[in-house]
Amino acid sequence: SQQGEEDPQALSIQEGENATMNCSYKTSINNLQWYRQNSGRGLVHLILIRSNEREKHSGRLRVTLDTSKKSSSLLITASRAADTASYFCATDARVNYQLIWGAGTKLIIKP
Amino acid sequence: NAGVMQNPRHLVRRRGQEARLRCSPMKGHSHVYWYRQLPEEGLKFMVYLQKENIIDESGMPKERFSAEFPKEGPSILRIQQVVRGDSAAYFCASSLEVPGQGRLSTDTQYFGPGTRLTVL
Repeated sequence: SQQGEEDPQALSIQEGENATMNCSYKTSINNLQWYRQNSGRGLVHLILIRSNEREKHSGRLRVTLDTSKKSSSLLITASRAADTASYFCATDARVNYQLIWGAGTKLIIKP
Repeated sequence: NAGVMQNPRHLVRRRGQEARLRCSPMKGHSHVYWYRQLPEEGLKFMVYLQKENIIDESGMPKERFSAEFPKEGPSILRIQQVVRGDSAAYFCASSLEVPGQGRLSTDTQYFGPGTRLTVL
């Protein structure tokens, strides 16, 4: 069964606006990671946040983690057309080393 | 520093044929993971290997699928007697072993571009 569930499934915004995607998971984790996948291409690692961290920044990306609610959010500020992609969260569950993936959020940035 | 490499990028097979997917991890990485992605879905873990060892194959179908990571050369995911339902993107990832931890942490896995398998 899937651990992570992204919300929304699809998001369409204007260039320059901020995009927020959420991820919920079910079990305790060591860390949570966000990945981007451009259409027809491989995955690109964006950011990893550990279970003892609450917020992390990388460029225009901001990730938060709330372990009490078992949820994370990815905020992309000042979106660009090149941000159009699918975004996945993946969790590293404590009981094993596998990454468990959600189905992803499709983000479309309209010029 | 080359990233994770996978080949071929696209593979077309007829039902009943064999498919061999290759993955070369990043330099210095000794851990390889294979994932499968069906259309419109997230990735599903298949197998985790270290050099010459299968650590966890709990996500691998019991029949027709096998994986190896020999001492020399790339990791191979082999699908025998392919069926249409095997059509998917297969991603390989590699990671460093994280020293000093009681159990291995996935830390950051670096992904290859994937192999898109189409079964006719």
